[in-house]
Amino acid sequence: QVQLVQSGAEVKKPGSSVKVSCEAPGGTFNSYGVSWVRKAPGQGLEWMGGVIPSFGTAHSSLNFQGRITITADESTSTSYMELRSLRPEDTAIYYCARTGGLWETQRFLQHWGPGTLVIVSS
Amino acid sequence: DIQMTQSPSTLSASVGDRVTITCRASHSISSWLAWYQQKPGKAPKLLIYKASTLESGVPSRFSGSGSGTEFTLSISSLQPDDFATYYCQQYNNYPYIFGQGTKLQIK
Repeated sequence: QVQLVQSGAEVKKPGSSVKVSCEAPGGTFNSYGVSWVRKAPGQGLEWMGGVIPSFGTAHSSLNFQGRITITADESTSTSYMELRSLRPEDTAIYYCARTGGLWETQRFLQHWGPGTLVIVSS
Repeated sequence: DIQMTQSPSTLSASVGDRVTITCRASHSISSWLAWYQQKPGKAPKLLIYKASTLESGVPSRFSGSGSGTEFTLSISSLQPDDFATYYCQQYNNYPYIFGQGTKLQIK
């Protein structure tokens, strides 16, 4: 069973940044992609963006244009999601998820991290 | 962006019922659709990918069908553990949009 390990909960001030990490023990990012998804209170799931470490490519939703950076470090099998210029409405649980494989047809989200709570409040 | 519309938003049913949730895409996504189940306080769980392929370990009472723009998730005989929120997601094109979710609750 693939276990993704995410960093701990964060409390941030509006206007600041947060960087959440997601590690796949055992070096299992080489043949997969990683997506980041968030769930705000009372809202549905929102795909934020993803990275394919082997290809060095990343895509993000235009909803976060200019505010998000998603990266991956293959040497440590760790992905990072940084969100800047935080607003109270960014309060949510942030999940990382590993895809079913490397290719476009395999980009469903097969294994999920436990989530990281980020609270944005003054 | 491709828009994903699920219906209904809320579904009330009883243990043993058969239920169906619909997901419509604004443009054709071929068969590149996944279904997830999420319970409160838990991470989502993959149920079905490629519209109809059951993920390993998922009970066979779950099934998916469809292609192009219209898809369904069916649960043949509801069990107490199935009351949760269900989401579809397209992975044909970026961004990989989710439907708004269907909350399945006990009648």
